[in-house]
Amino acid sequence: DIQMTQSPSSLSASVGDSVTITCRASQTIANYLHWYQQKPGKAPKLLIYAASNLQSGVPSRFRGRGSGTDFTLTISGLQPEDFATYFCQQSYTNPALTFGGGTKVEIK
Amino acid sequence: QLQLQESGPGLVKPSETLSLSCAVSGGSITSSSYYWGWIRQSPGKGLEWIGSIYYTGTTSYNPSLQSRVTISVDRTTNHFSLKLTSVTAADTAVYFCARPTSASGPINYFYAVDVWGPGTTVTVSS
Repeated sequence: DIQMTQSPSSLSASVGDSVTITCRASQTIANYLHWYQQKPGKAPKLLIYAASNLQSGVPSRFRGRGSGTDFTLTISGLQPEDFATYFCQQSYTNPALTFGGGTKVEIK
Repeated sequence: QLQLQESGPGLVKPSETLSLSCAVSGGSITSSSYYWGWIRQSPGKGLEWIGSIYYTGTTSYNPSLQSRVTISVDRTTNHFSLKLTSVTAADTAVYFCARPTSASGPINYFYAVDVWGPGTTVTVSS
């Protein structure tokens, strides 16, 4: 089984800050890595697919990078609506999927 | 625009079977580009993939749940369903139906989940 490890599990930041979340796979997953944003009481929302592709309608301040085992999600210029929990997910073993543990981005 | 909607009991007794259905609207469940899946989230926890089904009926399950899970598809009604047997309090969660997508038009999604249902809360308690 492929394990996905996200770090940090939580972070505090201010509006306008840039933050980076890391996701590491236990073995290579090429670019089968996706990022989601989840707000309380809501379903996750796809932000980035295939490591670096911005989903339609997602602001360009979200950027995904990486391949193989190490991936990052960077939010440049945090906006109030960006405070949420972010998850990575691998689909290299599709149709089986694995999610990272999540990173909660809180207001400092 | 395709939408998913979960339905089913919100309360299930321990040792009984959890049964949920997901209605697919705005599109066909028989498209070759998609799987149809179930994902759950326990209170305050992360996301756990339960399993997925292709419109032909081919299934894939999380090994940790495989012995208790059955996912089925009904092409005539555009629904797919989840059954989880012998439930315990550990199965209390929000259950999402979801669509992992290989491609949509010219875009290769590499099985990202681009459509989610709103989720339904299931509590296991006597």
